[in-house]
Amino acid sequence: AQKITQTQPGMFVQEKEAVTLDCTYDTSDQSYGLFWYKQPSSGEMIFLIYQGSYDEQNATEGRYSLNFQKARKSANLVISASQLGDSAMYFCAMRVGFQKLVFGTGTRLLVSP
Amino acid sequence: GAGVSQTPSNKVTEKGKYVELRCDPISGHTALYWYRQSLGQGPEFLIYFQGTGAADDSGLPNDRFFAVRPEGSVSTLKIQRTERGDSAVYLCASSFTSGNTGELFFGEGSRLTVL
Repeated sequence: AQKITQTQPGMFVQEKEAVTLDCTYDTSDQSYGLFWYKQPSSGEMIFLIYQGSYDEQNATEGRYSLNFQKARKSANLVISASQLGDSAMYFCAMRVGFQKLVFGTGTRLLVSP
Repeated sequence: GAGVSQTPSNKVTEKGKYVELRCDPISGHTALYWYRQSLGQGPEFLIYFQGTGAADDSGLPNDRFFAVRPEGSVSTLKIQRTERGDSAVYLCASSFTSGNTGELFFGEGSRLTVL
């Protein structure tokens, strides 16, 4: 069965520093997609970044990059130059089949001044 | 508005009552999804619509849960004989096409509390 594991319930980082949020996944599929979403206190899930299983390069979107290590089945999110507005819950997710997303339990990130 | 709209934002009901939660997706989005997020957990898939039909309802926990999308836009999630364990935030999402890279656009959710 497909599963996402996020082992860090909470992370702290100082403003302007970089932070890595861990994500490991389990699947027997050869083709899959990995995603990171941000959930601020408003509750809305905001798409950040996507990595396909066949993509050879790590995905990047502005200050977000995904450190994809296929052999280790890990898809860590790196946020560079943290900002106060980055404080939120972060969820790693995997696409199962054609549509369904399976989410991890999330990591709460707090950015301090 | 331009985003996914969900109503009500908060609903408190008593055990055994019937509840409807509404989702108005982004105009033109053909795919619509319902997820449920319990406290301290990530969202869990409930059902996915492509157009008017439910393409995958494997996440609905039991037959008390039902969802419709009669005209291919607005969707309603219906919960009969609510139980305390149904308390959660119900998230709706939409996307322009199915099978895309996963850029689902989520609403802010409907928080359901069953007393």
